[in-house]
Amino acid sequence: RKEVEQDPGPFNVPEGATVAFNCTYSNSASQSFFWYRQDCRKEPKLLMSVYSSGNEDGRFTAQLNRASQYISLLIRDSKLSDSATYLCVVNVGAGRRALTFGSGTRLQVQP
Amino acid sequence: ETGVTQSPTHLIKTRGQQVTLRCSSQSGHNTVSWYQQALGQGPQFIFQYYREEENGRGNFPPRFSGLQFPNYSSELNVNALELDDSALYLCASSFGGGSNQPQHFGDGTRLSIL
Repeated sequence: RKEVEQDPGPFNVPEGATVAFNCTYSNSASQSFFWYRQDCRKEPKLLMSVYSSGNEDGRFTAQLNRASQYISLLIRDSKLSDSATYLCVVNVGAGRRALTFGSGTRLQVQP
Repeated sequence: ETGVTQSPTHLIKTRGQQVTLRCSSQSGHNTVSWYQQALGQGPQFIFQYYREEENGRGNFPPRFSGLQFPNYSSELNVNALELDDSALYLCASSFGGGSNQPQHFGDGTRLSIL
């Protein structure tokens, strides 16, 4: 079983749609959680950290359920520029600073 | 811009050769992590350097080795290259202390093995 699992997609949605991505992680000791965005043939860029209480950044909302070991990302009012691969990322912590990435979910926003 | 720079941008090698990839960390960062990203996959952790010492290693063979210099820049060396080593190699820097520090990635080096 992969440490971080995501639906690979692609998710094809029209502009203005709301889309949700889910992610599960296997290590219950995981301490930090992030969503990264990666454009085609570019480096991953931090989109947002994910906190236990849930957090929002503009059109983006992230949720964490530690009991179910589940993370989600909601994008409202999708823009063409949101088209990218969204990577769910987990850090086990305890002094280890390596990030464990999911394989990513590809989003294509259509005009 | 993230401030993390990698060189070269692209590289073509043949099986059995050796390669060295370079990374300059963002100003103020003392930790460098290296990742390998195969096509269609998420980045996989190779190893991390903190204050010039290896600080954790992923599931990669010993022919993947690295260094960190006093200015916190880093090198990734791969010996006896194999076809499966073809990938995007990403370097990420962060400031040590706490597991919740986000990592900032460079543009990567795209390595092709023929």
